Amino acid sequence: AQSVTQLDSHVSVSEGTPVLLRCNYSSSYSPSLFWYVQHPNKGLQLLLKYTSAATLVKGINGFEAEFKKSETSFHLTKPSAHMSDAAEYFCVVSDRADYKLSFGAGTTVTVRA
Amino acid sequence: ETGVTQTPRHLVMGMTNKKSLKCEQHLGHNAMYWYKQSAKKPLELMFVYNFKEQTENNSVPSRFSPECPNSSHLFLHLHTLQPEDSALYLCASSQERSGGFTDTQYFGPGTRLTVL
Repeated sequence: AQSVTQLDSHVSVSEGTPVLLRCNYSSSYSPSLFWYVQHPNKGLQLLLKYTSAATLVKGINGFEAEFKKSETSFHLTKPSAHMSDAAEYFCVVSDRADYKLSFGAGTTVTVRA
Repeated sequence: ETGVTQTPRHLVMGMTNKKSLKCEQHLGHNAMYWYKQSAKKPLELMFVYNFKEQTENNSVPSRFSPECPNSSHLFLHLHTLQPEDSALYLCASSQERSGGFTDTQYFGPGTRLTVL
């Protein structure tokens, strides 16, 4: 069985400062890991995914995440926040044994001008 | 959002109504999913269709009835819903490969359902 814990329910940053969203996972198998973003009244958009290639994964809109097996973490970062980054972010794990995804509870990001 | 489309985007219905949600994927995928997203709760997987066959029914009440006529279309038929069924209903699709290796799921914009 797999599960995901997003360590922060809400993160507030100033525009132009770094963003860090923390995610820890548990999985019985070699996992696939994803970050999705959801803007208000929108569906989920894939930011990036890890599938056992490079441990540092680059995604869209300047986001990247690093897979650390020893720490069972997959934290999402962006060096400089933009107002358009205000949204809810979901860390997701799949153990690749089947199609099932396990979603974290989400982290709401607000960006201050 | 043109990869997976959902209609309607918003729906208000009474508890005695019958309505349907529609999902269409334009990505050539062979698996489709219904999820329920309620406030302050993680996404809940409801149904999975793989090559048009239902492979998952995650203990969903019978007042929700899915239909998958082909690999591009997925419906969720609703009848005698309860107010607690109010939520955002998301459709997703993916390309499932032999051996069960799961690929990325792509989501539609969702249908915001309000049950009065």
